Parts: sequence; structure tokens; C-alpha cells
Amino acid sequence: GEDVEQSLFLSVREGDSSVINCTYTDSSSTYLYWYKQEPGAGLQLLTYIFSNMDMKQDQRLTVLLNKKDKHLSLRIADTQTGDSAIYFCAEEQRGFKTIFGAGTRLFVKA
Amino acid sequence: DARVTQTPRHKVTEMGQEVTMRCQPILGHNTVFWYRQTMMQGLELLAYFRNRAPLDDSGMPKDRFSAEMPDATLATLKIQPSEPRDSAVYFCASGLARGEQYFGPGTRLTVT
Repeated sequence: GEDVEQSLFLSVREGDSSVINCTYTDSSSTYLYWYKQEPGAGLQLLTYIFSNMDMKQDQRLTVLLNKKDKHLSLRIADTQTGDSAIYFCAEEQRGFKTIFGAGTRLFVKA
Repeated sequence: DARVTQTPRHKVTEMGQEVTMRCQPILGHNTVFWYRQTMMQGLELLAYFRNRAPLDDSGMPKDRFSAEMPDATLATLKIQPSEPRDSAVYFCASGLARGEQYFGPGTRLTVT
């Protein structure tokens, strides 16, 4: 199938690191994305990684890609209450069709 | 700053009525996507366009849904007739040929 899978919930304490995991299906996907959705808003692109990369760092965000296992992760360092949101993993397949996961709801406890 | 706009933001209608949702993509973007989001199904791709031509509308119920791009600044999604199961948030997103998508704020549709 063409499912992108994510765990549904993650709860962390403020100041800790959050790691959100995702598995995808299409080994030929060239781009993989992380989007963030806050309540009542559309999805906002956080970061993306090209398939020939293993890691990408952008301020507090670190993306790790394991192509062999088709596993993608997003690490948020020093998680803040403002990071509470739903995080979507997405893969871009042939024809630029993007498949989104169901989203991981991140709860940050003060 | 450049944003995708969608109208209306909220729509409540009775089943059987026609619903039209509009989207203005970011100027210069040549790809437009329509998504539907529900608690049960998550985010579903309904259709997308490249340079105003439909590329894939396989996610859309063809008997009642239609999507068009009358010009480069306007994309529309119509439901006729609407049904209660169409209640959802409908997102439009735009982008370039490859890469990130920029989402609008969504239209929350309630069909009673």
C-alpha cells in the first residue's frame, strides 16, 4: 500500500527532547517532509530532507533518514509548550503526489 | 507576505445544497492541491492541478465533487449535492513543481 505510518500521540515535559517517528513505503520517494498543524490552522512546512541525505539539522529540529528501513524521525530539542501541535510526516511519490501520515499529536507538559 | 487564501472559512448548509469553496494560490505557484481532513480519515488528497490542468482527481467522489481552475489565481471545489458525510475541513495548498506545499487556513464545512 501507500501508507505513511506514525504513532498517534507523544507526551513530553517542557525542556526535554521530542522524537517523532515515521515509516514510509515508497523507496523511490525523493523528498520527505515534516509539517506542523496548530489548532484551527492549516499545515505548515517545518522541514524536509532529500532522499540522498541521512540527516538534516535546522535550529532545534533534526531530521534523521534511514532509507534502508524507510524510517524518518523528527527530533525537537528543548521542547516548548508552543511546540504542542500535530506533526505530519509526508513522502513525495512519483508524479509529485504527496502522501501524508495520520499525524502525531505532541503534548508538552509544563 | 504571500499566503494561500480560502473562502469561506466556515460554511453550514443543509444536505442537498450546492457548496462552492474557493482558493487563491500563492502568486507564481503552478501546483494546487485540495485536501479533506476529518478525525476518522485524517488528511486525504482529493485532487491536484499543475499549470491549471488536473493531474489526479482519483481521491474525489466523481458523482458529486468537481474541481476546477478557471484561471491561475482561482481554484474551486464544488459539492453538489452535499451530504452530511461531506462535513470536514477542506484545505487548499499551492506549491511549485517539486517541493513544499503551502496550506491555506481551510474551509470548515458542516452539512446538516
